[in-house]
Amino acid sequence: DQQVKQNSPSLSVQEGRISILNCDYTNSMFDYFLWYKKYPAEGPTFLISISSIKDKNEDGRFTVFLNKSAKHLSLHIVPSQPGDSAVYFCAASDRNAGNNRKLIWGLGTSLAVNP
Amino acid sequence: NAGVMQNPRHLVRRRGQEARLRCSPMKGHSHVYWYRQLPEEGLKFMVYLQKENIIDESGMPKERFSAEFPKEGPSILRIQQVVRGDSAAYFCASSLRTSAGNTEAFFGQGTRLTVV
Repeated sequence: DQQVKQNSPSLSVQEGRISILNCDYTNSMFDYFLWYKKYPAEGPTFLISISSIKDKNEDGRFTVFLNKSAKHLSLHIVPSQPGDSAVYFCAASDRNAGNNRKLIWGLGTSLAVNP
Repeated sequence: NAGVMQNPRHLVRRRGQEARLRCSPMKGHSHVYWYRQLPEEGLKFMVYLQKENIIDESGMPKERFSAEFPKEGPSILRIQQVVRGDSAAYFCASSLRTSAGNTEAFFGQGTRLTVV
């Protein structure tokens, strides 16, 4: 049972336009959400996170929006650049996990930014 | 400050052999997580360790797999009697612990295990 779902396996965007990557979750106990970027043959790199007490967090070109009632979050990248081409993973952790903030991952969305 | 270091980057083992994967966390990090990524799948949690303690191994297969994080030295993920289905990328992550309990984990580059 996939608790974190990224329903779009791939996304193609023109350079300079906005990229919107979506993520849905089923576990209402999740209280912390993260986005990671991953290039082939490398480990995931942390991008941005958001706590469930917020509905938006912004860092440069990256903004994450959280809609708790819909159990949905999205990552906006604007403007998109060719170097943003990578696989983007959404991950969540559970406040009931106590000291173990293990991450539950989506399957990823492969973003291609075309020059 | 070096990042999370995993070695080897690539490991080839024959069926029935043992695989040892090493992870040195970032300096100052005392929390280590191991994840596995099977082909065409997302990352799956395996085990969470603090120094000398296994905190949560709920994602680790009950047989053939073990993990340790000794007081000195790297964390080791050990797979005995490997089978073809163990072929995957194994990622280690480390983190600090903030008072809020929320902190991003930093990942190593992974070890790609191929069982032939």
